[in-house]
Amino acid sequence: NAGVTQTPKFQVLKTGQSMTLQCAQDMNHEYMSWYRQDPGMGLRLIHYSVGAGITDQGEVPNGYNVSRSTTEDFPLRLLSAAPSQTSVYFCASSPGMNTEAFFGQGTRLTVV
Amino acid sequence: DQQVKQNSPSLSVQEGRISILNCDYTNSMFDYFLWYKKYPAEGPTFLISISSIKDKNEDGRFTVFLNKSAKHLSLHIVPSQPGDSAVYFCAASALREYGNKLVFGAGTILRVKS
Repeated sequence: NAGVTQTPKFQVLKTGQSMTLQCAQDMNHEYMSWYRQDPGMGLRLIHYSVGAGITDQGEVPNGYNVSRSTTEDFPLRLLSAAPSQTSVYFCASSPGMNTEAFFGQGTRLTVV
Repeated sequence: DQQVKQNSPSLSVQEGRISILNCDYTNSMFDYFLWYKKYPAEGPTFLISISSIKDKNEDGRFTVFLNKSAKHLSLHIVPSQPGDSAVYFCAASALREYGNKLVFGAGTILRVKS
């Protein structure tokens, strides 16, 4: 039972490069989301999805794109990486409203 | 403007004693509260939750208390064990908010000394 799987675990990018962080879940959850964790700030919501084909912005969406073509996958795209996007990124899924979210192991991204 | 605040960055407790982690919130629309535990280099794992229609929820050694009038919740761990040493995040969501969006506090580092 894999749960929520994120790849890669670590990534170093140069300023201006683009990349996609992958997230897949095998629990058939409708809701998926992306958070970033920065020191002293907890986790902040970047984008979320309530089902295939439906996405919306969270608290800190600038510089990121998402799409949800299947229930299982929710990739996060960095369009043009900036040092301010250095962070740990977590993908999560949940079965519905007011339920616990299940998190992946995270991707540590450094932008130089 | 942080809607969920954990004012204690760290807490140190002796093994076997009680650990009390606190969390305050400002948004009166929040009606579902969760505690997550996080070890280094791992994702947060769900610990316990409470709905605003309750004021207490227990699960083994973990109890969460909710005081809606004070907009305050706390997590009690009794007895504390060395394996409980981790970062604890308080989170909140609002049923009326579309998408099960969680708002997190900054976290409290708990160290349980043996």
